[in-house]
Amino acid sequence: GAVVSQHPSWVICKSGTSVKIECRSLDFQATTMFWYRQFPKQSLMLMATSNEGSKATYEQGVEKDKFLINHASLTLSTLTVTSAHPEDSSFYICSARTGENTGELFFGEGSRLTVL
Amino acid sequence: DAKTTQPPSMDCAEGRAANLPCNHSTISGNEYVYWYRQIHSQGPQYIIHGLKNNETNEMASLIITEDRKSSTLILPHATLRDTAVYYCIVRVAWSHGSARQLTFGSGTQLTVLP
Repeated sequence: GAVVSQHPSWVICKSGTSVKIECRSLDFQATTMFWYRQFPKQSLMLMATSNEGSKATYEQGVEKDKFLINHASLTLSTLTVTSAHPEDSSFYICSARTGENTGELFFGEGSRLTVL
Repeated sequence: DAKTTQPPSMDCAEGRAANLPCNHSTISGNEYVYWYRQIHSQGPQYIIHGLKNNETNEMASLIITEDRKSSTLILPHATLRDTAVYYCIVRVAWSHGSARQLTFGSGTQLTVLP
């Protein structure tokens, strides 16, 4: 199946710094990528939908100025957590879909962010 | 997208079949049933999906009732590596204008016991 890769898989940073997470579709072109966040023992919550070449669409309650999303190419989307705080510590997961109509989503391995 | 109901947890003996139920009584005619699973600290993994016919692949079988109000995911010979949270998701196909993303519920924590 299609492969989606995230980097880094884990990151620890100090409060107030910014962290960038990359999501790449390795063997297909993804016009749409999705970013999810998952807190411990909770389900995945959609943060935003990233469309190549256009602005991301954020879900209600997600600060677009804090979680910057860039989808500059058909194989790469980035999520930047700006001025991170401990409450931003979470498991961030990206996903991408192929162009097929039945379109199962393929997910990255996830990136665990810990803000000290 | 139609709401789904799954039991919060299930146990299964290694080597036996794991049958995970899902209720989706408000499913619409153009909505598919998707199953994903998430092993601890990993991203979700696609398992299978179907519309109304039963489906089988190398990972699992999907049985959808005739009225489509419920379905069962079957892992024929569960192994310890199948321990994960299993999500049943109902949604329209990507070609539908309103389709945007997957909405995850709470899922079922399947624990395969040795």
